[in-house]
Amino acid sequence: GAVVSQHPSWVICKSGTSVKIECRSLDFQATTMFWYRQFPKQSLMLMATSNEGSKATYEQGVEKDKFLINHASLTLSTLTVTSAHPEDSSFYICSAPSGGMEAFFGQGTRLTVV
Amino acid sequence: QKEVEQNSGPLSVPEGAIASLNCTYSDRVSQSFFWYRQYSGKSPELIMSIYSNGDKEDGRFTAQLNKASQYVSLLIRDSQPSDSATYLCAGGNGWGKLQFGAGTQVVVTP
Repeated sequence: GAVVSQHPSWVICKSGTSVKIECRSLDFQATTMFWYRQFPKQSLMLMATSNEGSKATYEQGVEKDKFLINHASLTLSTLTVTSAHPEDSSFYICSAPSGGMEAFFGQGTRLTVV
Repeated sequence: QKEVEQNSGPLSVPEGAIASLNCTYSDRVSQSFFWYRQYSGKSPELIMSIYSNGDKEDGRFTAQLNKASQYVSLLIRDSQPSDSATYLCAGGNGWGKLQFGAGTQVVVTP
């Protein structure tokens, strides 16, 4: 299957600071990528659709000014959590379709805000 | 009504037995469906995809889709302890955007 790489795999930051998470498609180009968030014991919730060369599309209830998404190339999307607070602590996962209907997931990033 | 619904479990299955997982979906979910396996603290791993009515088999896994009943299932034959995980049912829009069910935790007991 296609490979999606996410970095970092875990990060701890202080409350009020910003954190950037990278999602790369390693062996294919992705004009679209997706960002999910997963709280403990819960399922994945789609946060936003990242579109190469244009603005991201956010799901209802997701603050676009807090979760900044940039998709500057066909292989890289970044999610920046701005002014992070403890309630933003979660597992953030990106995915990308490789041309078919299937989506491949990155390894995920465990964010802890202290 | 949630768009993709699953029984959260846990589903306890003796080693070597068949695990049966079910998922229902609403009209707003498109017609491509996926089963992902997720180990604790890890990212989901695709194990099966199914797009048309009927059964699809891959090794010990069989997925079944019934569009008239808006129902998709997954059977795991000869369950192994390594199959203990959360299984996520997802509906796709055809472009990689997925809506997930809550996940069913499977525990395979030796």
